[in-house]
Amino acid sequence: EPEVTQTPSHQVTQMGQEVILRCVPISNHLYFYWYRQILGQKVEFLVSFYNNEISEKSEIFDDQFSVERPDGSNFTLKIRSTKLEDSAMYFCASSALDRDEQYFGPGTRLTVT
Amino acid sequence: RKEVEQDPGPFNVPEGATVAFNCTYSNSASQSFFWYRQDCRKEPKLLMSVYSSGNEDGRFTAQLNRASQYISLLIRDSKLSDSATYLCVVRPGGADGLTFGKGTHLIIQP
Repeated sequence: EPEVTQTPSHQVTQMGQEVILRCVPISNHLYFYWYRQILGQKVEFLVSFYNNEISEKSEIFDDQFSVERPDGSNFTLKIRSTKLEDSAMYFCASSALDRDEQYFGPGTRLTVT
Repeated sequence: RKEVEQDPGPFNVPEGATVAFNCTYSNSASQSFFWYRQDCRKEPKLLMSVYSSGNEDGRFTAQLNRASQYISLLIRDSKLSDSATYLCVVRPGGADGLTFGKGTHLIIQP
């Protein structure tokens, strides 16, 4: 069964540093998403990406965040200058063009110290 | 982004019992509805989409009431492996991103 994969599984960084979280969506999917889940809280939508551009973003996705599809398989989330409150689990998801169902990767746990 | 409300539980249920969860959503323009399950510190896994006519997948039955903005999930003959957090998820009309509830924690006891 095809899966979304994410690397690294855990990233520890110091406040103010840049981090890049990586995802490989399911190969025939065309819509890509990032979500985050702060410990003990609900999953929150950050951004969606289609046809090499941002399709929708939430109020959480401010200028510190950016997304990119640098090649045919990877989808990345960059946080330019991390803050303590960026500590969370970051999930990548993907969906096929004609289906609503989004499939999630295993997540990257980001810890900002 | 409007909210999705769920009873957080926990629901403690003996193995083999039937259990039902509900959730309500506030955005009447919502178009798509799902139940996901999430195990501790893992990713949400799609359990089933929810259709207006109601749908069943094995021991799981989902219902949608658009007029009341209410979604339900019924689990029959519960197994120990059903222990998880069940997330009610809605996609608002015109949006790409999903809106998640906080989840209902289910514990199946032997």
